[in-house]
Amino acid sequence: GAVVSQHPSWVICKSGTSVKIECRSLDFQATTMFWYRQFPKQSLMLMATSNEGSKATYEQGVEKDKFLINHASLTLSTLTVTSAHPEDSSFYICSAAVQGAGNTIYFGEGSWLTVV
Amino acid sequence: QKEVEQNSGPLSVPEGAIASLNCTYSDRGSQSFFWYRQYSGKSPELIMSIYSNGDKEDGRFTAQLNKASQYVSLLIRDSQPSDSATYLCAVKRGSARQLTFGSGTQLTVLP
Repeated sequence: GAVVSQHPSWVICKSGTSVKIECRSLDFQATTMFWYRQFPKQSLMLMATSNEGSKATYEQGVEKDKFLINHASLTLSTLTVTSAHPEDSSFYICSAAVQGAGNTIYFGEGSWLTVV
Repeated sequence: QKEVEQNSGPLSVPEGAIASLNCTYSDRGSQSFFWYRQYSGKSPELIMSIYSNGDKEDGRFTAQLNKASQYVSLLIRDSQPSDSATYLCAVKRGSARQLTFGSGTQLTVLP
């Protein structure tokens, strides 16, 4: 199956700093990628849709100035959590759609963020 | 009403039994249906996709879709302890690229 890679797998940062998470499609071009957040024992919450070459589309309630998304190439999208706070600690997961075959969506490995 | 509903569980079955996971959805425009498995602390992995009414089998897994009843299910035959995980149902409208997820059903297979 298609491979989507995320980096880093886990990161600890100090409150007030920013952290960047990368999402790469390794064997296909992804014009659209999705960023999710998942708190423990809860389902995935879509944060934003990342579109190559244009601005991301954010879901209601997600602060676009806090969660900066850049999709500069067909294989890379980045999520930057700015001025992180402990409540931003979560599991962040990206996904990308493979065109054709029902646009099956594959997930990256996820990134655990802990803000201390 | 949630767009995609699943029983949260936990659902416990003995090893070797059939596990049955159910999902209902509200959007009649949904055309693509997926089951993902998520182990604790890991990201979801795709198990099955189904697009047409009826059954689709892949190894020990069978997905069943009934669009008239807006219902999709996943059967796991000969359940193994390694199947213990949270199973997420996801649906997608025809041309849309994003998925709508249910809250997941936690399955425990007892040795």
